Amino acid sequence: KNEVEQSPQNLTAQEGEFITINCSYSVGISALHWLQQHPGGGIVSLFMLSSGKKKHGRLIATINIQEKHSSLHITASHPRDSAVYICAVLTSGSRLTFGEGTQLTVNP
Amino acid sequence: SAVISQKPSRDICQRGTSLTIQCQVDSQVTMMFWYRQQPGQSLTLIATANQGSEATYESGFVIDKFPISRPNLTFSTLTVSNMSPEDSSIYLCSGVGGRVLNTEAFFGQGTRLTVV
Repeated sequence: KNEVEQSPQNLTAQEGEFITINCSYSVGISALHWLQQHPGGGIVSLFMLSSGKKKHGRLIATINIQEKHSSLHITASHPRDSAVYICAVLTSGSRLTFGEGTQLTVNP
Repeated sequence: SAVISQKPSRDICQRGTSLTIQCQVDSQVTMMFWYRQQPGQSLTLIATANQGSEATYESGFVIDKFPISRPNLTFSTLTVSNMSPEDSSIYLCSGVGGRVLNTEAFFGQGTRLTVV
């Protein structure tokens, strides 16, 4: 079992739909990051979470430390949201462990 | 929070040549790391870049193939040496620091390398 597991692996949605991507982890962490990887490979950091909830535009990220679970939500999805979304956890040893990513495709 | 500038963003290289990727951080980070993402795979740690000393490599990665430098707290380079098509991957640097020690991670933009 991987230390970081994401679901689903692939997700196809229609424009305007509400999207949820999940991340579960099995180790103690000091922070959790959500990253967006564009089709060309470029990586953008979306959120860093250590507790609670953060919102940026149409993106919302939540974390439940007790349940070792985080979710990334996209409201009113748009084709430009199509990308790979990656969950990464930062452990107390300063190591990052990455999930395998969720490939999101939003169709017009 | 720190910002990491990674260059180049992409390159196409001939086999047998070498490519050096640079990461510049706009403020000090405690630790810096280099990762590789092969096609269809998740990001895997290559090595920890240590300031002023040899990098610490993960199993399966060696210094002769991936020499790394970190001359100060804000700059690091990764060289992919004697490249083959199997080295075609995305390479990513990251830094760890933060106001509360080592509780924040920062990311470069990634370098997409294609070896022909």
